Amino acid sequence: DIVMTQSPDSLAVSLGERATIKCKSSQSVLYSSNNRNYLAWYQQKPGQPPKLLIYWASTRESGVPERFSGSGSGTDFTLTISSLQAEDVAVYYCQQYYTTLFTFGPGTKVDIK
Amino acid sequence: EVQLVESGGGLVKPGGSLRLSCAASGFTFNSYSMNWVRQAPGKGLEWVSSISSGNNHYIYYADSVKGRFTISRDNAKSSLYLQMNSLRADDTAVYFCARGIGDILNWFDPWGQGTLVTVSS
Repeated sequence: DIVMTQSPDSLAVSLGERATIKCKSSQSVLYSSNNRNYLAWYQQKPGQPPKLLIYWASTRESGVPERFSGSGSGTDFTLTISSLQAEDVAVYYCQQYYTTLFTFGPGTKVDIK
Repeated sequence: EVQLVESGGGLVKPGGSLRLSCAASGFTFNSYSMNWVRQAPGKGLEWVSSISSGNNHYIYYADSVKGRFTISRDNAKSSLYLQMNSLRADDTAVYFCARGIGDILNWFDPWGQGTLVTVSS
């Protein structure tokens, strides 16, 4: 199985400041035949189901604010919130869909400082 | 509007069985793979099972549920199911159904609100 890790476990950022979350996979999720990274990011607010933010590692889902961006390739990925807003308080998960044994990272909790 | 509504959760004793359902609407159900993901109280997300689109149902399970859980779908009813047998305390979780974009190797969007399964004596 591909093991996903995230860092940090939690972070507190001032409103308007940048939040950066790292995700690392135990093996590459870059599919060479199409040069795509099989990596998604989700946001989960308390009491709600996860919401898709990013797929193919860097493609923002329709309707997701531009302050959310994804980057990285192979085994190392980053989710960046460029200017944290109060409504961004949530837990963020990465997920690989490179194999049918889908796996999620343990999550990163983002709070306001 | 795409909508997924889970049902069938509840309290069950260890060793018991439960069948979860997910009613889909707002999209062509048989064109999408479907998935179950669970979340234990206060914990992260754990993928449980997936079933491919169309009529040739390729099926996948997490090792933690293989041999105990069975995923199925009824395209005529736009419904997804999860038959859970030999339930254990560590199966206690909110179970979400989620649509896959594409055949199998894809992200999940959207997700239902979830249904709570509690395994306890």
